[in-house]
Amino acid sequence: KQEVTQIPAALSVPEGENLVLNCSFTDSAIYNLQWFRQDPGKGLTSLLLIQSSQREQTSGRLNASLDKSSGRSTLYIAASQPGDSATYLCAVGRAGSYQLTFGKGTKLSVIP
Amino acid sequence: GAVVSQHPSRVICKSGTSVKIECRSLDFQATTMFWYRQFPKKSLMLMATSNEGSKATYEQGVEKDKFLINHASLTLSTLTVTSAHPEDSSFYICSLEKDSAYEQYFGPGTRLTVT
Repeated sequence: KQEVTQIPAALSVPEGENLVLNCSFTDSAIYNLQWFRQDPGKGLTSLLLIQSSQREQTSGRLNASLDKSSGRSTLYIAASQPGDSATYLCAVGRAGSYQLTFGKGTKLSVIP
Repeated sequence: GAVVSQHPSRVICKSGTSVKIECRSLDFQATTMFWYRQFPKKSLMLMATSNEGSKATYEQGVEKDKFLINHASLTLSTLTVTSAHPEDSSFYICSLEKDSAYEQYFGPGTRLTVT
């Protein structure tokens, strides 16, 4: 059974700092990995999708990497802004299935 | 991307009543939709996969007679929580898959509170 762990559970940084969020998974037989953002009481916004054959994806100030063999992914956020404050979720897609397994998320607070 | 809506965004009901939650795909036809729930400080958990025109596939531990799913059209799936109890209070989110990359797009969620 796939298990996804996100560390840290919460993170507080001053505005302008670069930061890294971590995600690890137990079963490397994945199809893809997705990073989402969730604002309080809201749904999920897809940030980046990395296919299992890819090593990283970039969008603006966000960069996600994937090391499938070691079961790890990182989300790098450059020059953090208060508007980046949210919970960031990592989800792993199983090969041959639409099913996503989610981590519990990292709650990020960017202090002005 | 894809635009997904849910209605209602928030609902409070009394124990024993039933509640229907709608999930709509606004900009394309979705053959498959998914229903998740999220308890406080817990991961999102897949409840069921909703297929247009056929019966939903439920995950282990999810009661199909309690959580009724109807995917009557390519743009609408509904989740009905029957005889709701306080332990059903949760955040229910739907999603759909748009392209072959298995990327999922999520709705804004519905907060259900059963008193």
